[in-house]
Amino acid sequence: KAGVTQTPRYLIKTRGQQVTLSCSPISGHRSVSWYQQTPGQGLQFLFEYFSETQRNKGNFPGRFSGRQFSNSRSEMNVSTLELGDSALYLCASSTTGFTQTQYFGPGTRLLVL
Amino acid sequence: DQQVKQNSPSLSVQEGRISILNCDYTNSMFDYFLWYKKYPAEGPTFLISISSIKDKNEDGRFTVFLNKSAKHLSLHIVPSQPGDSAVYFCAASVVGNTPLVFGKGTRLSVIA
Repeated sequence: KAGVTQTPRYLIKTRGQQVTLSCSPISGHRSVSWYQQTPGQGLQFLFEYFSETQRNKGNFPGRFSGRQFSNSRSEMNVSTLELGDSALYLCASSTTGFTQTQYFGPGTRLLVL
Repeated sequence: DQQVKQNSPSLSVQEGRISILNCDYTNSMFDYFLWYKKYPAEGPTFLISISSIKDKNEDGRFTVFLNKSAKHLSLHIVPSQPGDSAVYFCAASVVGNTPLVFGKGTRLSVIA
């Protein structure tokens, strides 16, 4: 079974631009969560989607948004990028949600200049 | 306020010895705990979990201990191997499908 895939793997943007990251979950997984990892901050939860609906949301500004498609693939968007948005963005999928084991993708490393 | 704390940013252990990684939490509602391992350029990989109804869970060389009264859990790796060198994250959640809360991680180096 293929694992969680994320594209692109690396991205360089400038302040003020917007960016869209993509995540394809493991086949059969309906829950997709997004996390931000910055040096010294661990993994911080952004949001979770299940059956195309945002089910949980972390404490991030409205510039961070996401969506999920009918095939469970998910995208997250960050608008008006700031230097502090430079981070590793990780996507995780599970069958039904947090009560099941989450499987992570390799992440997208975003650098904002 | 950090609800899950890993107070040791790094740990160095000799090959063959025991590695003990520690994690403290503040939210008494947490009842499900996990450990993830992360290599550079890869996403975190699930290692082992424990629910609050147990105080110990073993899987091969990995054992997780939970002390609910102290709000403390630990991961023991015996014997440690060079391939165990990675960043280890502790995570916790409340049953009922709430998001995992992660610690900041501990970098383990196993020296041959």
